[in-house]
Amino acid sequence: EAGVVQSPRYKIIEKKQPVAFWCNPISGHNTLYWYLQNLGQGPELLIRYENEEAVDDSQLPKDRFSAERLKGVDSTLKIQPAELGDSAVYLCASSLVGPPNNEQFFGPGTRLTVL
Amino acid sequence: GIQVEQSPPDLILQEGANSTLRCNFSDSVNNLQWFHQNPWGQLINLFYIPSGTKQNGRLSATTVATERYSLLYISSSQTTDSGVYFCAVGDSGNTPLVFGKGTRLSVIA
Repeated sequence: EAGVVQSPRYKIIEKKQPVAFWCNPISGHNTLYWYLQNLGQGPELLIRYENEEAVDDSQLPKDRFSAERLKGVDSTLKIQPAELGDSAVYLCASSLVGPPNNEQFFGPGTRLTVL
Repeated sequence: GIQVEQSPPDLILQEGANSTLRCNFSDSVNNLQWFHQNPWGQLINLFYIPSGTKQNGRLSATTVATERYSLLYISSSQTTDSGVYFCAVGDSGNTPLVFGKGTRLSVIA
């Protein structure tokens, strides 16, 4: 069974440019999460989807960040315009509501560098 | 929200040594996971353990939910065990995980 897939793995952009990240969760997982991980820290939630509905986006900086999960499967996270402080690793995770448990599984992440 | 504290922050071991990593959390949880983040940044699931004890090879974990802590044991450590170990908790359903700051483990030959 394939794990969580993310692309690209690495992205280098100039500040003020737009950037987009893509995530495909584990097949059958209806909950999808985007986390941000700064250097030396643990991941922190940006947004959580249950199916196609964003149910927790309180930590998403909505002035420049947007996300969508069309058809309740894969998801895209966008930043426009990017700032120097956005340099970080963006992680996608998925889980299944219900039995056997709500264990979350993470993709390999996208490492963003803003110059 | 829930607070998660991990100790020690850094740990250096000689290959073959054993170690115990601790995770304290501030409120009741129904999801607790241990991860190993390898040098390439991938978070690898080690245990899903909101309560009880589990073992997988040289690794084992125990969570005492009533006392709000979990322990990760690594026996006969190998250089490939190096990396950052994260404890993460969730308080209900599919709520997001709250991560500790991690324990950075270095195993030297």
